[in-house]
Amino acid sequence: GENVEQHPSTLSVQEGDSAVIKCTYSDSASNYFPWYKQELGKGPQLIIDIRSNVGEKKDQRIAVTLNKTAKHFSLHITETQPEDSAVYFCAAPSGGYQKVTFGTGTKLQVIP
Amino acid sequence: NAGVTQTPKFQVLKTGQSMTLQCAQDMNHEYMSWYRQDPGMGLRLIHYSVGAGITDQGEVPNGYNVSRSTTEDFPLRLLSAAPSQTSVYFCASSRTGFEKLFFGSGTQLSVL
Repeated sequence: GENVEQHPSTLSVQEGDSAVIKCTYSDSASNYFPWYKQELGKGPQLIIDIRSNVGEKKDQRIAVTLNKTAKHFSLHITETQPEDSAVYFCAAPSGGYQKVTFGTGTKLQVIP
Repeated sequence: NAGVTQTPKFQVLKTGQSMTLQCAQDMNHEYMSWYRQDPGMGLRLIHYSVGAGITDQGEVPNGYNVSRSTTEDFPLRLLSAAPSQTSVYFCASSRTGFEKLFFGSGTQLSVL
């Protein structure tokens, strides 16, 4: 099955700096890579996703890059703000695309 | 549009008790799933369903039962609660099996 590894587990940045979270996956056939944000006391919410036919996707201050050869993808947050503080999860499809395997999460703290 | 609704939000059980966690969605999604979230372990799939009448096991199914009699509802049953089942439980739904999951707000369960 798919194995998704996520690093770092915790990340502290100063407000205005950039944050980068990295994930690796094991199944070379995977073709869809989402990122979810979980605020305290809430369920995860999809913030951005990328398909394997593109190398990068941007949405305002967040971007995701994909390196299919190395089997890793990253979340980039620029000009971080206190409201970016949350737990972020990467994920990849598994089990014949009927399941989703999540990374172990990254707790991002943006220091004002 | 309520999205995915989970009840209850909090529950305390004694070892050996049984209970049902409720999950309902109003988006007409075929795919529904249950995850548990434990510190440092991310989101682990318990059971999932690809449509009414169809369920299958995820990564950590032991001690849990599910059924899917309607498209809208996907309850999770704990047959005989154990302290190891203390966790936060999330229900999710999506149009497909792996894309754009919508999560409920979670149920925090403590088993004493």
